[in-house]
Amino acid sequence: RKEVEQDPGPFNVPEGATVAFNCTYSNSASQSFFWYRQDCRKEPKLLMSVYSSGNEDGRFTAQLNRASQYISLLIRDSKLSDSATYLCVVSMEYGNKLVFGAGTILRVKS
Amino acid sequence: NAGVTQTPKFQVLKTGQSMTLQCAQDMNHNSMYWYRQDPGMGLRLIYYSASEGTTDKGEVPNGYNVSRLNKREFSLRLESAAPSQTSVYFCASALAGLSYEQYFGPGTRLTVT
Repeated sequence: RKEVEQDPGPFNVPEGATVAFNCTYSNSASQSFFWYRQDCRKEPKLLMSVYSSGNEDGRFTAQLNRASQYISLLIRDSKLSDSATYLCVVSMEYGNKLVFGAGTILRVKS
Repeated sequence: NAGVTQTPKFQVLKTGQSMTLQCAQDMNHNSMYWYRQDPGMGLRLIYYSASEGTTDKGEVPNGYNVSRLNKREFSLRLESAAPSQTSVYFCASALAGLSYEQYFGPGTRLTVT
């Protein structure tokens, strides 16, 4: 089983749609969780950290379910500029490293 | 404030050649990382340096060596390049530890023929 698993997509959605991505992780001891965004042929950039209580940043909402070991990202009112690959990232304390999922591709179309 | 810079941006090597990828950060970060990214796979950690003077292996260290030259600079060396090392290489830095945001450089696209 992969340490971090994501649905690769692509998710093709119209502008204004709501889209949700899920991610599962294998290590129950993981402490830190993030969503990164990566544009085509660019470097990853932090979109948001994910906290146990859930957190929201504008149109983006991230949630963590420790019992089921999954993380979600909800994007409301999708914009063309949201088109990118979204990377789920989880810390693995035993190896002192972050593990990146392979990413979910989002394409927002007009 | 340039953030994380990497050189070169592109490189083509023949099998068996060696090269060093350079990375520098100007954010006074303690931790630095080297990743590779291959199609359909997540970024995989090659080596990291938790602080100046220390380096540790990541998930895929074979065929690579690193040097943390000072707090700012962290280089990655391929001693004898192989086609399996064709990839995009990203350097990243973080203030300290895993709970902090990692800032990435623009990447080096390496092709080994």
